[in-house]
Amino acid sequence: KNEVEQSPQNLTAQEGEFITINCSYSVGISALHWLQQHPGGGIVSLFMLSSGKKKHGRLIATINIQEKHSSLHITASHPRDSAVYICAVNNNDMRFGAGTRLTVKP
Amino acid sequence: DVKVTQSSRYLVKRTGEKVFLECVQDMDHENMFWYRQDPGLGLRLIYFSYDVKMKEKGDIPEGYSVSREKKERFSLILESASTNQTSMYLCASSLSVGGHGYTFGSGTRLTVV
Repeated sequence: KNEVEQSPQNLTAQEGEFITINCSYSVGISALHWLQQHPGGGIVSLFMLSSGKKKHGRLIATINIQEKHSSLHITASHPRDSAVYICAVNNNDMRFGAGTRLTVKP
Repeated sequence: DVKVTQSSRYLVKRTGEKVFLECVQDMDHENMFWYRQDPGLGLRLIYFSYDVKMKEKGDIPEGYSVSREKKERFSLILESASTNQTSMYLCASSLSVGGHGYTFGSGTRLTVV
């Protein structure tokens, strides 16, 4: 079993929809990261969380340490949000989920 | 703007060739990492380095070696490329092992034919 599980693996949405991507992990962590990877490969860090909630524009990330669960929300989704979203956790080293491929259709 | 630069976006090499993938960071980060990314498997750590001339094996080091002669440069070496090493390779650096300032390069898509 992977230490970091993401769901769903693939997600297709219509422009404007509210999107949620989930991440569960099975190890103790010092921090959790949400990353975005666009076609072409480059990975950008969206959030680094150790508790609570963070917001940046239309993106919101939450974490529940007791339940070992995090969610990434996108409000008013747009086709430019189409990307792979990756959850990663820090436990002395970084462990990555397999990613969620999001496609937002106009 | 801070950067991790990988020397090539796309590479095609022949089986048995020696392949060098170069990564340079301009953030004075201590830690540097090499990952490979394959569909359905996510990112897997090949090697990392926490200081000049220091290296540690990751989860899948077989068939790879690394070199860190200068703080800003971390090279991944495929001694004798094989087709099962066809993959996306990503370099990253961080200020701390705890993940502060974790920054990725844009990736190198390597095809071994």
